Amino acid sequence: DGGITQSPKYLFRKEGQNVTLSCEQNLNHDAMYWYRQDPGQGLRLIYYSQIVNDFQKGDIAEGYSVSREKKESFPLTVTSAQKNPTAFYLCASKTSGSRETQYFGPGTRLLVL
Amino acid sequence: QKEVEQNSGPLSVPEGAIASLNCTYSDRGSQSFFWYRQYSGKSPELIMFIYSNGDKEDGRFTAQLNKASQYVSLLIRDSQPSDSATYLCAVRGDSNYQLIWGAGTKLIIKP
Repeated sequence: DGGITQSPKYLFRKEGQNVTLSCEQNLNHDAMYWYRQDPGQGLRLIYYSQIVNDFQKGDIAEGYSVSREKKESFPLTVTSAQKNPTAFYLCASKTSGSRETQYFGPGTRLLVL
Repeated sequence: QKEVEQNSGPLSVPEGAIASLNCTYSDRGSQSFFWYRQYSGKSPELIMFIYSNGDKEDGRFTAQLNKASQYVSLLIRDSQPSDSATYLCAVRGDSNYQLIWGAGTKLIIKP
């Protein structure tokens, strides 16, 4: 089955801890994205990557880091510098065509202990 | 700052009626427009996209685009309780790779 997978479904972070959210796609999509969604809010872009070994900051990159070592994988690390990390994190991907849209994984819900 | 505006709702519609969802955008140069549906606790799923002025129909869904007035609408005919969700409008901005998102309209279909 082709698709986007995210793990874990739920993640608990302790104060001062870095945590990494996984995102994998087997759709052969070039671009991948990380969004944050807070309750009752829209999507805010954290980082995106158009090709392997390259990525750009979105609107709310502070306190987050990413890597893109493989086309299929785009992990997001929530660092201890992110003081309010509780949110729903969504990974998406798309092909490089100008009219192609983004498709989403199932999401990871991050909670602070 | 490019923006996409949606009424947050909730919009309450009786079962079987037409639900009308609206979205306005600030960038007159926008070319591509998307509607996503998001059930509570789930990720968004694409339901419609439209690039040209006018109407585009897909089953019970119709997207309407008016570039002169800078709005895009989604009509849902014969609304069902399963249509109850938050509907997100997204617009492709300057970059081929980024979408600008509205905050979403919560739709409630009452049996």
